[in-house]
Amino acid sequence: AQKVTQAQTEISVVEKEDVTLDCVYETRDTTYYLFWYKQPPSGELVFLIRRNSFDEQNEISGRYSWNFQKSTSSFNFTITASQVVDSAVYFCALRFGETGTASKLTFGTGTRLQVTL
Amino acid sequence: NAGVTQTPKFRVLKTGQSMTLLCAQDMNHEYMYWYRQDPGMGLRLIHYSVGEGTTAKGEVPDGYNVSRLKKQNFLLGLESAAPSQTSVYFCASSYGTGNSPLHFGNGTRLTVT
Repeated sequence: AQKVTQAQTEISVVEKEDVTLDCVYETRDTTYYLFWYKQPPSGELVFLIRRNSFDEQNEISGRYSWNFQKSTSSFNFTITASQVVDSAVYFCALRFGETGTASKLTFGTGTRLQVTL
Repeated sequence: NAGVTQTPKFRVLKTGQSMTLLCAQDMNHEYMYWYRQDPGMGLRLIHYSVGEGTTAKGEVPDGYNVSRLKKQNFLLGLESAAPSQTSVYFCASSYGTGNSPLHFGNGTRLTVT
């Protein structure tokens, strides 16, 4: 069975602080894909990053970075020098389904990040 | 380029009423999906489609039906709405398989009283 756990329900930080959002996943597949999505207060879902199970390189995009560790089944997301505009709910997701089928995702329950001045 | 468009944005139904949610995408994506989002539960897959004329069940299909008569449209129907179907519904589409990211619409907030 596929499962994604985001244990942090809500995090509050002051602007310019660094913050890490945790994501732990469970899967029996050897090939799988992980995603992060952002849902700002306006409600839409914005794709941030994807990572396949064969690529454990960490990735940095501006103030965002992702740490993928197969040994601990984790795919954590760090925001450096947080800003008020980062306030949102962040979802981690795991693709399930056989190779060659639709990209169905199992989502975690989300982490609400509140960044204040 | 509109991406994925959902209509309506909001709807209130009474128990037992029916309605159809419309999803349209202009990216020529083969795959389309319907998810529901409930507090504390993340998003759960209701139904999906791998191409025009095809549909398949997701994790929580009961009480819903779907149709994909045209490649660009994916309809979600509620034949007899129940309060448990109060939720925010998201449509998504993707190019293909594997690591293709899903592109989401802005959601439809449905309340069933």
